[in-house]
Amino acid sequence: QSVLTQPPSASGTPGQRVTISCSGSSSNIGSNYVYWYQQLPGTAPKLLIYRNNQRPSGVPDRFSGSKSGTSASLAISGLRSEDEADYYCAAWDDSLSGLWVFGGGTKLTVL
Amino acid sequence: EVQLVQSGAEVKKPGESLRISCKGSGYSFTSYWISWVRQMPGKGLEWMGRIDPSDSYTNYSPSFQGHVTISADKSISTAYLQWSSLKASDTAMYYCARSNGMDVWGQGTTVTVSS
Repeated sequence: QSVLTQPPSASGTPGQRVTISCSGSSSNIGSNYVYWYQQLPGTAPKLLIYRNNQRPSGVPDRFSGSKSGTSASLAISGLRSEDEADYYCAAWDDSLSGLWVFGGGTKLTVL
Repeated sequence: EVQLVQSGAEVKKPGESLRISCKGSGYSFTSYWISWVRQMPGKGLEWMGRIDPSDSYTNYSPSFQGHVTISADKSISTAYLQWSSLKASDTAMYYCARSNGMDVWGQGTTVTVSS
């Protein structure tokens, strides 16, 4: 059971806009930044969004992140076939001596 | 180019020990913590723990505390993940990541534990 909660799957057709949610608590999302990672099949995860809504250089502006209270979401607009991947949210959790926590991951299928 | 390069795939028997490595380059290795992340077959990402290479201070996820040891040698810009007695349940892909929001990841090391 992951500390952050994501839907296990999402889907959309090319060109559509899809969103993936990530729900946490006051000790993680509620008090720290949210990060999003994309994992293409057979590859290492890649940072997609940092500090809630910032994109690293090279990440298309089709990807955007937002946060409100203890929840966050990743939006992908103009969906493309190459966006088919697993997406994970993560945040620092202040409980105990501190630790990173992940969502369980969302498998995005482009129909 | 900033990169983390991990050691190669390992096949071990239950009860054996193992140390895998993660070498940083292209940046000041002691300026960023290194995290280790487990991904079991077909499953999601799990944070195991992290190390500050400047002083080797570590903190672990409660789920992994006592089961693995994270260390680093700053003189060669390398972090390590170590097991003293492997179990079949340790079979997984292991990633290191620069703990600046985990902005840079290694390519992963596959560990297979089987009798």
